Amino acid sequence: NAGVMQNPRHLVRRRGQEARLRCSPMKGHSHVYWYRQLPEEGLKFMVYLQKENIIDESGMPKERFSAEFPKEGPSILRIQQVVRGDSAAYFCASSIIPISGANVLTFGAGSRLTVL
Amino acid sequence: DAKTTQPNSMESNEEEPVHLPCNHSTISGTDYIHWYRQLPSQGPEYVIHGLTSNVNNRMASLAIAEDRKSSTLILHRATLRDAAVYYCILSTASGNTPLVFGKGTRLSVIA
Repeated sequence: NAGVMQNPRHLVRRRGQEARLRCSPMKGHSHVYWYRQLPEEGLKFMVYLQKENIIDESGMPKERFSAEFPKEGPSILRIQQVVRGDSAAYFCASSIIPISGANVLTFGAGSRLTVL
Repeated sequence: DAKTTQPNSMESNEEEPVHLPCNHSTISGTDYIHWYRQLPSQGPEYVIHGLTSNVNNRMASLAIAEDRKSSTLILHRATLRDAAVYYCILSTASGNTPLVFGKGTRLSVIA
């Protein structure tokens, strides 16, 4: 039973290009959470999705960032026109039911974006 | 913002017990206390959680104060592989509220 799979593990983009990060949740998990970790900082929540729905995007920057979790396939975090400040590790986590109380998250290994 | 307070860093000798403290004075009656850790260059991993009673699992023990305003994660015998950032997080039972990570405690283990 594979865990949360993220790809690519490392991505290099030049300023102005687009970055697409993919996350396949654990089998049976239909809730996906994206977090961003800037260098030497803690994890910051970005967005929470269920299949075909965005539940909470309160942590997403208002521009250039979008996320989806289609009925089929992985969840995708898309960053348009990347800037150097987008360089960070992006972690995806999944849960079998909405995270609350005693429920736990399973994290992927992360995708590390470097913007030149 | 994180609702917990942890020391920035701690140090332990290998094979000795480690007690990682966490203050959560504003905890509500239905908040669970969760601990995750993040090893270097990896994603966070779940360690343990509890509500009121002390908890034990194969990774660690969680001691929760009687008033629930603080808790302690106990690693019974620290190994070099336990060197990580440890996060203490409150998880509300109300649902659909994402986990908020603070800065955590960076644990160094000395051989």
